[in-house]
This record gives sequence, structure tokens and C-alpha cells, in this order.
Amino acid sequence: DAKTTQPPSMDCAEGRAANLPCNHSTISGNEYVYWYRQIHSQGPQYIIHGLKNNETNEMASLIITEDRKSSTLILPHATLRDTAVYYCIVVAGGTSYGKLTFGQGTILTVHP
Amino acid sequence: DTGVSQDPRHKITKRGQNVTFRCDPISEHNRLYWYRQTLGQGPEFLTYFQNEAQLEKSRLLSDRFSAERPKGSFSTLEIQRTEQGDSAMYLCASSLATNTGELFFGEGSRLTVL
Repeated sequence: DAKTTQPPSMDCAEGRAANLPCNHSTISGNEYVYWYRQIHSQGPQYIIHGLKNNETNEMASLIITEDRKSSTLILPHATLRDTAVYYCIVVAGGTSYGKLTFGQGTILTVHP
Repeated sequence: DTGVSQDPRHKITKRGQNVTFRCDPISEHNRLYWYRQTLGQGPEFLTYFQNEAQLEKSRLLSDRFSAERPKGSFSTLEIQRTEQGDSAMYLCASSLATNTGELFFGEGSRLTVL
């Protein structure tokens, strides 16, 4: 699976949009971009995933560049409860989609 | 609660003892995964099942580790002759047997080996 690169930490003011970048320059054509987050002392939580097109759900938006070498997770109105470690993961579709390789992630701190 | 549940949530044991963790997945999910997470690191994949069949095991899963899912429902992860390096959070997740989708993680079982 392709590797990802994320900034180690980011800050965001409550109520503002949080934009978390991820580089995955070696992504293959059959690999999806997934985002999970982990709030302290809890199990990881799925946020969103996409292949080529931008995706939006009730939690976030995922913007994938046309060449698919990078992506951005957008939390439109960050709250204090969004403080967590955010993981960008690239994984092939098929039976192994649950075999996730978590990196170090980005520690997002939302402050009042 | 219809999420993934794990038991026990915390386990403290002495080096050399055996420990067993249990995971109950979401009822209609036929895939079940085990991950391990050490302090300050992201989770690492250990193994996964589709129904009762163990389809893949990581090299991280040494001979002292064994996982089972006998009836395709709950799963157990046993660690024999525990070592201090086994201290970690053991996470279980479940999913549907599709080609993409989300994993639903439990809260984890934290193991401390003294």
C-alpha cells in the first residue's frame, strides 16, 4: 500500500474550518484514500473515504487532487470535540480493505 | 449498545502469564480484525477473519499469539507467556464483507505486563 505524509500537528479555532492535508504521491489506481480519527483513549473512528471524486458526508469533506497525489480533509465547523489524531490511510479495495496501515497521523487541537 | 464490544477493558498481568481478550463484533458483520497499538503510535494490523476463517496474519503475530473465531461471531485473542513488550492496547474492529467501506472499532483492551 502507498505511504502517506501528514503534518505532525495542527491547530484550529473553534467554529472555523479545519483543513488537514495528506500527501500520497505513490498511490496506485486501485487504492482508496481513507480518513480515520482517534480521540484520546478511544478506538479509531471512520470519517470518510474516496477514490477519485470529492466526497462529503455529515462529518467532513474529502478533496482529492486530480492527479490523486494528495488530498485534504475538511471539517467545516470544528468543535472542541474534534480534537483528535487524524490518520490519512491509502489502501487497495477488495478483500484487504480492512488491513489498514496507520502512520503517525496529525494531532489536531481545536481551541476556544 | 450495538457497537463492537471488547472485554476486559483493562488487564494487568505478570510476565509469563497467559491472557485472553474477547471481541464481540456488530452482529451482521462477517469480517473481524485485531490491531495492536502501543503508546504514541498508530494501530498496527495483526490479523483478520472472514466468518470463522482466519485469512491473514501479520508478521507481528508471533507464535505466542493465537486468535480464533470459532462460530464466526465473537473472537478471542490469546497471548501466552506474556512479555513486557506485549503491553499495548488491543483493538478489535468489524466490517461487512464488501470491497470498500468502514471499519467499526471497539474501545480496546489495554494490557499492562509487569
